[in-house]
Formats: sequence, C-alpha cells, structure tokens
Amino acid sequence: GQNIDQPTEMTATEGAIVQINCTYQTSGFNGLFWYQQHAGEAPTFLSYNVLDGLEEKGRFSSFLSRSKGYSYLLLKELQMKDSASYLCAVTPDSGAGSYQLTFGKGTKLSVIP
Amino acid sequence: EPEVTQTPSHQVTQMGQEVILRCVPISNHLYFYWYRQILGQKVEFLVSFYNNEISEKSEIFDDQFSVERPDGSNFTLKIRSTKLEDSAMYFCASSIGTFNQPQHFGDGTRLSIL
Repeated sequence: GQNIDQPTEMTATEGAIVQINCTYQTSGFNGLFWYQQHAGEAPTFLSYNVLDGLEEKGRFSSFLSRSKGYSYLLLKELQMKDSASYLCAVTPDSGAGSYQLTFGKGTKLSVIP
Repeated sequence: EPEVTQTPSHQVTQMGQEVILRCVPISNHLYFYWYRQILGQKVEFLVSFYNNEISEKSEIFDDQFSVERPDGSNFTLKIRSTKLEDSAMYFCASSIGTFNQPQHFGDGTRLSIL
C-alpha cells in the first residue's frame, strides 16, 4: 500500500525559513514531487527529487533520503503569498507504465506578518 | 506558457444524472490523468490514459466512470449516474511522459451533486 505523512498545519513569520517534512512508504518509487495549492485552485509544480540530496530552485529547496523514506521542502524568505497548502506526492512504480501521483493530505502553511 | 484547460469550471447536477467533464491537455503531452479532491481532503488519483487507452485506474474509478479522447485535443471524464458522494473538485492533468516529468494540472471542475 501507499502511505504519505506530512503535518496538517504550520505557521511561520514573513521573512523567516520554514521546513515542511514528508515521510512515505510506497510500493516502488519513481520520484517525489512537491506541489503548491492555493485554496480553491489547482496544484502547481514546485520540485522533483529522485536521487538523494538537495535540489535548490530559488527560494525553494527540496531534500530526499530514499533510505529513510523522507523528504522536506524548505521555503526561505517567506512572503505572504506563500500561504498555501504544500502537497507531497510520490510516483510509485506500478509497472503499468503509468506515472500517477499518490498525494499526502497536504500541509497548510500560514504566513503571518 | 501552455496550460491545461478544463470546462466547465462549476457543474451542478441532480443525483442520477450523467455528467461529462472536459479537458484540453497541453498539446505535446502524451499522458493524461484525472484526479479528484473532495472538499478538505487529499487529491486522489482516478485514471491515467496513454496511447488512446487506459493505462491504470484506481478503485474509485468503477463502472460508473469512463474516459475518452474523442479527437486530437479533448480528454473527457464521464460519470454515468452521479451520486452525492461524487461531489468534488475534478482535476485533469497532463505530462510529456516518463516519471521525472511534472504533471501540469488544470484549474479543475467543481462538481456539485444535489
């Protein structure tokens, strides 16, 4: 089966750094994605990790440890517009040639002044 | 930047009626997906579609659901006889393919069953 865990809610201050953790247990692994979802809107792609280590993209970085089934998303220099849900999603290896995403429940981040 | 478009943005239907949700994926993408998100819950995979056939489907995607690519651009999700529990946001997504390519999501269709 598939199990993806992330904190339900987090609050952080504008200008600060926040780390959102994700742990996963899946049957097979073809990579881990982070998506941002503002309320009532579509998920938008932030990052992808398939190898261990850190991927940096501007104010956003994502880390993966395959042996620990663990990832985190790091957001620096927080802005009010970063208030959103952050979704951790894994592409299991289904063997069917399909790359569907299995999502966690998402972490709702509130950025306060 | 190319995007996935979905219509309608909101659909209200009586229980038991058929609905068709429409999507136009990004033109050079090869893999197409439908997901749903019940209010306050996580995004759930329904079905994936490649080379004009279903490549995988979840337990949610029962006989009441079907997908079709009727022409070179549209990708549709049909629910034959809607139930109250089908009320959700339905997202279409597409990707170029392979596991390391991100899926791009449309803005969704909010389906409300009365």
